[in-house]
This record gives sequence, structure tokens and C-alpha cells, in this order.
Amino acid sequence: DQQVKQNSPSLSVQEGRISILNCDYTNSMFDYFLWYKKYPAEGPTFLISISSIKDKNEDGRFTVFLNKSAKHLSLHIVPSQPGDSAVYFCAASASTGANSKLTFGKGITLSVRP
Amino acid sequence: GAGVSQSPRYKVAKRGQDVALRCDPISGHVSLFWYQQALGQGPEFLTYFQNEAQLDKSGLPSDRFFAERPEGSVSTLKIQRTQQEDSAVYLCAVGSNYEQYFGPGTRLTVT
Repeated sequence: DQQVKQNSPSLSVQEGRISILNCDYTNSMFDYFLWYKKYPAEGPTFLISISSIKDKNEDGRFTVFLNKSAKHLSLHIVPSQPGDSAVYFCAASASTGANSKLTFGKGITLSVRP
Repeated sequence: GAGVSQSPRYKVAKRGQDVALRCDPISGHVSLFWYQQALGQGPEFLTYFQNEAQLDKSGLPSDRFFAERPEGSVSTLKIQRTQQEDSAVYLCAVGSNYEQYFGPGTRLTVT
């Protein structure tokens, strides 16, 4: 069963507009959430993270929102740029000591149109 | 990324062949993870090392998969008697607090 779900496989937005990427999770033990960006033939690159004690974390153009009661998080990219076109993965971990293995969603392909 | 290299970058193996995939992190990383990413899927956890100790191998799909990190730095993932379903990208990551930083991966194709 998929514990981390990214239900939209793709998203297309105009350059300069906002991109909103959604993610849902089912495991209530998850308490740390991360977003990764992946270009073809490269490994995932860490983008931004959020702890379950917060509901928002911002880093430049990227903001992650967490709604614990709904088990939902979203990544906002404002303004979107063509270089943001990539696959975005949502990931989650549970605080089980040092082994913070990540559980990933299937990813969303973001296309930013010039 | 983040000082993790993997080799080879691409590997083609005939079914039944053994393969060894290498992960070489910059020094000082205690935590090391291996993930398997099938086409169109997100990475899936295989195994975890804390220094040289393999503390979690719950994600290894069968006893054909074996991983080691004998000196707490370089790690090798070995797959014996490869099968077509082993075709995937194998990713190595190092941990820093709750975040992980990935290498470029090895794409394994079993024919």
C-alpha cells in the first residue's frame, strides 16, 4: 500500500505563475517531510523539508505547507521558472532513532512553459 | 550530489549474472542508505548502514541482494543471479539529521 501518495502525475504552469504540488500520506507515525527535485539521469536533489511541529517552512521561492489533521502537504513554487521543470518527489520519515529511512511518493512531473 | 559518487553509472547484465554496485561518499557520513527506483516509481528503501553496521535490511527484496560497508565509508550493493525484475536505478544516499543527499545512481538493465 502506498503510504505517500502524489495523485497527480503531471502539472503544467506558465512561467511566473505559482506551481502547487500536492502530497498525501497515510502513516500517522511520519513526522518529517521532504521534497526532492529530480532531473533525468541524476539523483534526487534535496529541496526543502518540514517537521511535524511546524505548519509552514519557506526557503526563497519554495514554501512547504503541512496540514497534519488532513495528512496533507503541498509545495508552492513562486514564481515558477522554466528551470523548475523536473520530477518532484514527496518523501516522509518517522523518528525511529538514527534510521530515518524515507518513504517516497511516485513523483509529479512539473513543466513550466516559457 | 552532496559528495556521493556511484559507479558504474550504467550497467547491462545478462540474466543470471552477478553485479556489484559501488557507492563512495565523502568522508564523515555515519548514515548510508540504498534505494531502488523502478521506472515511473519513487525510490524504495533497501538497506541502511550506521558506520560499518548494517542496522536495517528490511527492504532487500530477496536473499540475492547483499550490501556491505566494511570500513564505514565505501559501500557495495551486490546482486547475485540477476533477473529482469532487478532492472532499476540503484541510489545511494548519505544522511545528515533527517535529510538525505543522493548520488547520481546506477542504472542496471538486465537482459
